[in-house]
Amino acid sequence: SQTIHQWPATLVQPVGSPLSLECTVEGTSNPNLYWYRQAAGRGLQLLFYSVGIGQISSEVPQNLSASRPQDRQFILSSKKLLLSDSGFYLCAWSPGGDGQYFGPGTRLTVT
Amino acid sequence: EDQVTQSPEALRLQEGESSSLNCSYTVSGLRGLFWYRQDPGKGPEFLFTLYSAGEEKEKERLKATLTKKESFLHITAPKPEDSATYLCAAPSGNTPLVFGKGTRLSVIA
Repeated sequence: SQTIHQWPATLVQPVGSPLSLECTVEGTSNPNLYWYRQAAGRGLQLLFYSVGIGQISSEVPQNLSASRPQDRQFILSSKKLLLSDSGFYLCAWSPGGDGQYFGPGTRLTVT
Repeated sequence: EDQVTQSPEALRLQEGESSSLNCSYTVSGLRGLFWYRQDPGKGPEFLFTLYSAGEEKEKERLKATLTKKESFLHITAPKPEDSATYLCAAPSGNTPLVFGKGTRLSVIA
């Protein structure tokens, strides 16, 4: 069966510091991968998605970037965090068809 | 602009009191309507996908239905463990999924 991992689970970072969140999927190959941010009262916002290694689509211009160095690894990064980057970050995968399956999430607080 | 709108924002039910959650969409050329359950502090859990008007799917006390303009998530005789936020979503253009803001369900024993 497939499983999706995210780490860290929680993170507190000062404004201006860098960020790296990692997501890995097990038990499948060539998944579509997604990064979402969930802020209170605003719902799930798609940030990036990838259909293959090195292929990244950005949905919203922002202070973040994404990379996919391996088939089942998806990384969300920032060079300098802003207060507005605080939120709950979710990684998801799909086999390309029916539904997306989410990881446990990372709670990021920028202070 | 394609939209997915959920109502009500919050719903409080007594245990055993059946009700329905609504998801209306204005996405043209629907390519699936997805329902998720999300518990506090956790990632959404996939529940159902519906593809065509008239389709229904069931899982335990939950039944999802789809019309040409909206989807309903019916909850029959809910229990406190059904308390969660329920999200619906649909693909829109090149965006894989656009999510509604969710309905926060509380079931009181």
